[in-house]
Amino acid sequence: GEDVEQSLFLSVREGDSSVINCTYTDSSSTYLYWYKQEPGAGLQLLTYIFSNMDMKQDQRLTVLLNKKDKHLSLRIADTQTGDSAIYFCAETYSGNTPLVFGKGTRLSVIA
Amino acid sequence: GAVVSQHPSRVICKSGTSVKIECRSLDFQATTMFWYRQFPKQSLMLMATSNEGSKATYEQGVEKDKFLINHASLTLSTLTVTSAHPEDSSFYICSARDPGSGGESYNEQFFGPGTRLTVL
Repeated sequence: GEDVEQSLFLSVREGDSSVINCTYTDSSSTYLYWYKQEPGAGLQLLTYIFSNMDMKQDQRLTVLLNKKDKHLSLRIADTQTGDSAIYFCAETYSGNTPLVFGKGTRLSVIA
Repeated sequence: GAVVSQHPSRVICKSGTSVKIECRSLDFQATTMFWYRQFPKQSLMLMATSNEGSKATYEQGVEKDKFLINHASLTLSTLTVTSAHPEDSSFYICSARDPGSGGESYNEQFFGPGTRLTVL
């Protein structure tokens, strides 16, 4: 079945770059998402990328997609303490199908 | 982007009672909504797909008689946890896509803020 894997923890110093990695197994995945979840809150969509793209940049966020290896990464430049949260990678076949989520990476930013 | 709301945000109930959670698309019509469940420090697991005007599609292992889903209108889906037990305590989140949006927003799924259910 479909599976999305992420490392569970990442700790970085304030001002450094954070790179959160994700691998998925479903080759028919068309849309790949990154969501942010702060404690006790819902999910905030950060960005998403189509499978026919290699890279997408949005201000401090850069998403890289290696479709051959089914590897997705999220880079946060100049990481701030407010970036501390859990980051979920998710994939789906179409915009109207449910998402399959990874277990989430807990990012801790050290001041 | 589009907004999805959930009500209530938190609910505490006694074991054996039923709890209804509402998911609303505030500024768009959603023919399909999804219900997820999140256990502490775990990922979101899809429970069911809610289809307006028809029966919900449940994922394997999810009891349809326990988790009743009603999608009576294009802006509202409800999840009722019947005869709740402590093991039903969880964070329930719904999502929806705005099929009427254009450009890149067309493929975005918008999540509600979640409902934390605690069953005593």
